[in-house]
Amino acid sequence: DTAVSQTPKYLVTQMGNDKSIKCEQNLGHDTMYWYKQDSKKFLKIMFSYNNKELIINETVPNRFSPKSPDKAHLNLHINSLELGDSAVYFCASSQDGGTGRNQPQHFGDGTRLSIL
Amino acid sequence: GNSVTQMEGPVTLSEEAFLTINCTYTATGYPSLFWYVQYPGEGLQLLLKATKADDKGSNKGFEATYRKETTSFHLEKGSVQVSDSAVYFCALRGGNTPLVFGKGTRLSVIA
Repeated sequence: DTAVSQTPKYLVTQMGNDKSIKCEQNLGHDTMYWYKQDSKKFLKIMFSYNNKELIINETVPNRFSPKSPDKAHLNLHINSLELGDSAVYFCASSQDGGTGRNQPQHFGDGTRLSIL
Repeated sequence: GNSVTQMEGPVTLSEEAFLTINCTYTATGYPSLFWYVQYPGEGLQLLLKATKADDKGSNKGFEATYRKETTSFHLEKGSVQVSDSAVYFCALRGGNTPLVFGKGTRLSVIA
């Protein structure tokens, strides 16, 4: 009964490759997010989707493309991977509609991406 | 814009010591405040929250009080255990914007 699940947990690949990370939430939330955590543990928002629509797109290279087929899924595709993309990527979700204002976000366990 | 500043670590304490991790924030309006904890190799878990001034969030012996006059949300625990060793993040959320995190404070508790 995992709430927010991401796959894979670990991803090791060569520079220049294209890879995807999948995220699913079974909480019935209407908003999903991708965060990047660097080696110093700093967390930065990348994207936010509400009901499958892109709400926030921070300054992220256009090699990163999120896709939300439905409000329970938010996948992250990365083209032409670079060394600097090595990080832990976290998916999160929250219920923002109705009385959901200021609700906490629920996080997946993260995907550790290592670029060789 | 909104921002969170928390004390830099690492913090190393002996078991049963008192813990304080300072957190201050800058925000427009009336944000909600959160503490998240990240155990080694895991994702972030919500530890506690407070949604308005003078609210006290508490969980697992940890407490934090939303102080609007000092724009602070310091995390405290009276007696830490080895199992509390983790990275602690202070965060705020204004309306339906994403969480804004502090840089995290690593806590190590030694027996």
